[in-house]
Amino acid sequence: ETGVTQSPTHLIKTRGQQVTLRCSSQSGHNTVSWYQQALGQGPQFIFQYYREEENGRGNFPPRFSGLQFPNYSSELNVNALELDDSALYLCASSQAGSYYGYTFGSGTRLTVV
Amino acid sequence: ELKVEQNPLFLSMQEGKNYTIYCNYSTTSDRLYWYRQDPGKSLESLFVLLSNGAVKQEGRLMASLDTKARLSTLHITAAVHDLSATYFCAVVVFGNEKLTFGTGTRLTIIP
Repeated sequence: ETGVTQSPTHLIKTRGQQVTLRCSSQSGHNTVSWYQQALGQGPQFIFQYYREEENGRGNFPPRFSGLQFPNYSSELNVNALELDDSALYLCASSQAGSYYGYTFGSGTRLTVV
Repeated sequence: ELKVEQNPLFLSMQEGKNYTIYCNYSTTSDRLYWYRQDPGKSLESLFVLLSNGAVKQEGRLMASLDTKARLSTLHITAAVHDLSATYFCAVVVFGNEKLTFGTGTRLTIIP
């Protein structure tokens, strides 16, 4: 059973640029959620994808967007990067209807300079 | 809007001592999770609590849930240095599959 894989692990971008983060879900999971964790804080929900459709969104602006692919992998895209976007971005996969399966990836550390 | 609060935010304790971390939430929940996070690392799932009165134990950690009080506790017994980490509780409400995390408790075990 494979876990959740995120890439890249670290990334440095300049303010105003765009970034794409990737996540491969755990085998058997069909739902992917993305979280932003700023330094010293708890993770904040960005959005969730189920069956390639957005299935809930947190308080993040439209420049945060995502995709889910038929194999349940997912991308998080952030346009017009701001300094405050610097954070650890975590992907979690789960199986819809299951209470147990929130498996987190190792995260992507994004630094915006 | 669901709010999840933990206390204390910081906890420094000696090896061998017992202590409890508290997690309060503001609305009826479907289930509650406890996670551990080491510095710069991802979240490790510890427990999922589904119903009122649920108690789960793993090694020196025991978690419980009181849905009427909207309170969960994470009890640490005879702490050891390896338990040093940040602990988060996270709540899921009915009909909404997102995790709402608490503020986290940074636990430091002193030899």
